[in-house]
Amino acid sequence: DTGVSQDPRHKITKRGQNVTFRCDPISEHNRLYWYRQTLGQGPEFLTYFQNEAQLEKSRLLSDRFSAERPKGSFSTLEIQRTEQGDSAMYLCASSLNARYYEQYFGPGTRLTVT
Amino acid sequence: ELKVEQNPLFLSMQEGKNYTIYCNYSTTSDRLYWYRQDPGKSLESLFVLLSNGAVKQEGRLMASLDTKARLSTLHITAAVHDLSATYFCAVAIIQGAQKLVFGQGTRLTINP
Repeated sequence: DTGVSQDPRHKITKRGQNVTFRCDPISEHNRLYWYRQTLGQGPEFLTYFQNEAQLEKSRLLSDRFSAERPKGSFSTLEIQRTEQGDSAMYLCASSLNARYYEQYFGPGTRLTVT
Repeated sequence: ELKVEQNPLFLSMQEGKNYTIYCNYSTTSDRLYWYRQDPGKSLESLFVLLSNGAVKQEGRLMASLDTKARLSTLHITAAVHDLSATYFCAVAIIQGAQKLVFGQGTRLTINP
């Protein structure tokens, strides 16, 4: 069990640039979640996949954000035309498709927009 | 809309003392989680509470759940410096994605 992995761990970018993050869930997990955590706050839900289908998106996910999970395995989160307000820790979590199965979090990608 | 509130948000305590962190939530749920987060790190799962009256203990930490009061507590016994961290409770939305709604976190500092 290698756990949830995320890449990169840190990203510094200039405002207006596009960035893409990758999440590799635990291999048998078919649910995948993205959360965003700003400094001093709890994580906030962004979006959710069951297998390759994106089934729910938060209002926080503006049209500059897009997420994919093309083969139901890894997922990518892209932010276009980054803004300073996008600076945050982006956390990925995965779980089995079972009611009481908990979500396991990855190490996160810390984005800094300068 | 589910809201989760923790208190206190900041807690500074002496080693050896006991204290309790409270987590209130606004709508029905059947799952509550406690996580620990060290600075710059991700979330470490501490406890999963699934039923009314559930109590779980690990070392100096004990968590409980009262679903009727929509309240969970995290009790720290005889605190030690290594427990300094931010603690989050999170409540699962029952329907749909079963996403987690987190409290604001309690930043715990334990002084020698």
